[in-house]
Amino acid sequence: GAGVSQTPSNKVTEKGKYVELRCDPISGHTALYWYRQSLGQGPEFLIYFQGTGAADDSGLPNDRFFAVRPEGSVSTLKIQRTERGDSAVYLCASSPAGGKTDTQYFGPGTRLTVL
Amino acid sequence: AQSVTQLDSQVPVFEEAPVELRCNYSSSVSVYLFWYVQYPNQGLQLLLKYLSGSTLVKSINGFEAEFNKSQTSFHLRKPSVHISDTAEYFCAVSARGSASKIIFGSGTRLSIRP
Repeated sequence: GAGVSQTPSNKVTEKGKYVELRCDPISGHTALYWYRQSLGQGPEFLIYFQGTGAADDSGLPNDRFFAVRPEGSVSTLKIQRTERGDSAVYLCASSPAGGKTDTQYFGPGTRLTVL
Repeated sequence: AQSVTQLDSQVPVFEEAPVELRCNYSSSVSVYLFWYVQYPNQGLQLLLKYLSGSTLVKSINGFEAEFNKSQTSFHLRKPSVHISDTAEYFCAVSARGSASKIIFGSGTRLSIRP
C-alpha cells in the first residue's frame, strides 16, 4: 500500500515569506508526527497529532510555526515570516494508533530552502 | 529529558568486515530504544527496536543491537557488511511514560568499500 507522502518535495522561498508543507499519512493511521532535520543532524521532534488534536506541540520552536490536521488525516505545517535558519528537511511520520510502542513510518520529507 | 549521542559521524569499512556503530543515551526515566536507517535517496526506516524482554534484538538483514542499561548503550553490530548496507544510521530513544515523540542522535554514515 501507499506510504506517507509529502508535498512539495522541494520548496525554495525568500526570507519573510509564508510556506505550507503538506503530509498525507498512511491510510487509517491516527497518529501523525512532524520532525525537522537540519544538515548533519538527526530529526528533531516538532509536534504530534492524535486524530485532529495536537497531543504534544512542545517541539515547535516559536509561534511562527503552526500545524493543523482538521479531519484527522492530512496535516499541514505552516511557517510564517520564514527565516534562513528554518532551512531544513521537514519530515512527517505516521503510526497506527500513537501508542508508545507503535512503529513510526516516515515520509520522504520536504526540503525547505529559505534564501 | 532524553538525549542520544552517536560518537562516530562516519564509519568506513570494507565489504564483509564486521562493524559496530556506537550509541549512548541519557534519560532519567526508562526508555524504548531504536535504530533507524536512511538509505541513499530514501526515507527513514525502522531497523530494529528494544521495548522490553531480551536485551538483544535483531533485524531481518543481519544487524543486531544490545541494550546495556548499566552503560546506557545500544550499540549496533553486524558481523559481515555488504555494499547494500551503505546508509546513514540513527539511534533514537523515547520515554516509556510519556508521549510518543522520538529523540534522535545525529547519525552515523556507514560507507562500505569493496
